[in-house]
Amino acid sequence: DAGVTQSPTHLIKTRGQHVTLRCSPISGHKSVSWYQQVLGQGPQFIFQYYEKEERGRGNFPDRFSARQFPNYSSELNVNALLLGDSALYLCASSLDSEKLFFGSGTQLSVL
Amino acid sequence: SQQGEEDPQALSIQEGENATMNCSYKTSINNLQWYRQNSGRGLVHLILIRSNEREKHSGRLRVTLDTSKKSSSLLITASRAADTASYFCASGMRGGYQKVTFGTGTKLQVIP
Repeated sequence: DAGVTQSPTHLIKTRGQHVTLRCSPISGHKSVSWYQQVLGQGPQFIFQYYEKEERGRGNFPDRFSARQFPNYSSELNVNALLLGDSALYLCASSLDSEKLFFGSGTQLSVL
Repeated sequence: SQQGEEDPQALSIQEGENATMNCSYKTSINNLQWYRQNSGRGLVHLILIRSNEREKHSGRLRVTLDTSKKSSSLLITASRAADTASYFCASGMRGGYQKVTFGTGTKLQVIP
């Protein structure tokens, strides 16, 4: 079975632009979570979606939004990019909302 | 914000030695998990211990949990060069949904 897939793997944007990151969960997993990981730190929780509904949101500004589709894939959108948004964005899917299965991430660079 | 802090931040050992990493967390938890990350890519789940458990083993991994001290430790026995990675503890909490919050990580280097 395929693991969690994320696209794109790398992305370079300039300040003020908008970005959309995509995630396909493991087949059968209905929960998708998004994390931001800045270099040298642990992943920070952004969102969790379950059955297309937002179940949790971390301490991130409204510039960050997400959604989950009927096939349980998910998108993370970030508007008005700032230099500080440069990070590795990780998507994780879960069957039981406990053990997380991570994708390889999208490395976002904001110039 | 990070839920947990890990100690040490970095650890360098010789192949064959044991590696111990410690994690402290702040709030009540449902479970405590450990993940491994190679080269800043995706994290891999290693082991989960529930709040009513004190110790758990999986292969060369041993995890302990002390809820009274809000702390956990991960022991990797007979380390190998391939164990070189960053290790993160993550606390699972219930509050309408299962939120998994990660610590700051320990960077382990195993020297062949």
